[in-house]
Amino acid sequence: AQTVTQSQPEMSVQEAETVTLSCTYDTSESDYYLFWYKQPPSRQMILVIRQEAYKQQNATENRFSVNFQKAAKSFSLKISDSQLGDAAMYFCAYRSGEYGNKLVFGAGTILRVKS
Amino acid sequence: GAGVSQSPRYKVAKRGQDVALRCDPISGHVSLFWYQQALGQGPEFLTYFQNEAQLDKSGLPSDRFFAERPEGSVSTLKIQRTQQEDSAVYLCASKTSGRAAVTDTQYFGPGTRLTVL
Repeated sequence: AQTVTQSQPEMSVQEAETVTLSCTYDTSESDYYLFWYKQPPSRQMILVIRQEAYKQQNATENRFSVNFQKAAKSFSLKISDSQLGDAAMYFCAYRSGEYGNKLVFGAGTILRVKS
Repeated sequence: GAGVSQSPRYKVAKRGQDVALRCDPISGHVSLFWYQQALGQGPEFLTYFQNEAQLDKSGLPSDRFFAERPEGSVSTLKIQRTQQEDSAVYLCASKTSGRAAVTDTQYFGPGTRLTVL
């Protein structure tokens, strides 16, 4: 079974600075997808960024980018120019490509943004 | 259109009571998922529907948990004889079909926080 590990329970960043959240995963599959979701206190899970494993190019979405290292099974999220609205719980998630429907989530990282 | 909605947002039940949690997916979304999120943890998969067919229920923790989606739209997650360990946030997500990024994304509802006393 696939597992997702987020080793940082909590991170802090100064407003306008850059922060990187770590995620590692374990799988024997070659076709899969990786996601970062943001969950603010309202509990609404919002997709931040998505990466297909077969693509070598790292995904980017405005201030959010990933560092996808397939051989190392690492998928970190970099947030540039951090804003107060970025404060939330961030979850890394895995989905199998061949059989995949369900998401397998990590335990999450709380991100605090200081003004 | 509207996003995924769930009701009630909060539910308090006495141990042993039955509860029913409702999910209204985004109109036209064929896939619907239920997840359970314990306090301070990541969501864990419970079950998955494609239209009205329940294709995967491997995550349901016991036979007290039952989900249905009879007309391929609204879904209900029912928990019988609730126990304290059932206390969690129950999240519903839906997505359309296809493998492109825009169609592959699961859109989540705000969840129902269940507290069993």
